[in-house]
Amino acid sequence: RKEVEQDPGPFNVPEGATVAFNCTYSNSASQSFFWYRQDCRKEPKLLMSVYSSGNEDGRFTAQLNRASQYISLLIRDSKLSDSATYLCVVNRGGNQFYFGTGTSLTVIP
Amino acid sequence: NAGVTQTPKFQVLKTGQSMTLQCAQDMNHEYMSWYRQDPGMGLRLIHYSVGAGITDQGEVPNGYNVSRSTTEDFPLRLLSAAPSQTSVYFCASSLQRGGQPQHFGDGTRLSIL
Repeated sequence: RKEVEQDPGPFNVPEGATVAFNCTYSNSASQSFFWYRQDCRKEPKLLMSVYSSGNEDGRFTAQLNRASQYISLLIRDSKLSDSATYLCVVNRGGNQFYFGTGTSLTVIP
Repeated sequence: NAGVTQTPKFQVLKTGQSMTLQCAQDMNHEYMSWYRQDPGMGLRLIHYSVGAGITDQGEVPNGYNVSRSTTEDFPLRLLSAAPSQTSVYFCASSLQRGGQPQHFGDGTRLSIL
């Protein structure tokens, strides 16, 4: 079983829509969780860390459900510039990070 | 402050050749790592380092060597290139070991013929 699994999509949504991505992780000892954004042929960039109590950064909300071992990312009021691949990243508390394969989002005018 | 700098950006090699991918960071980060990204596989950790003189293997270390003689530099060496090593390689760093978010370089696209 993969450490981290994501629905690859693609998600095609109109501007202004709300879209949610889920990511599941296999190891219950995982301690740190992140969402990264990767534009086509570019490097991944940190979007936000995910905290146990959930956290929000503008139009982006991240949630962690330890009991079900999944994290989610909600994007409200989607913009064209949100089109990218969103990567779920998990760390068990050591020095190794595990990346999901990414979920592709296209926001349509 | 350049962040994480990778060179070269593109490289084509023949099977059996060796080469070194360079990675440097100017943020005084303790933790550095190398990943490869292949279609449908996500990023996979090759090697990482938690400080000068300390390196360890990640998920897919075979065929690659690393060293960390300074805090700033973390080169990745391909000993004898194989077509299976065709990939996009990313170097990343973070301030501390153990779960801190990472800053990535802009990648090296490597093709092995």
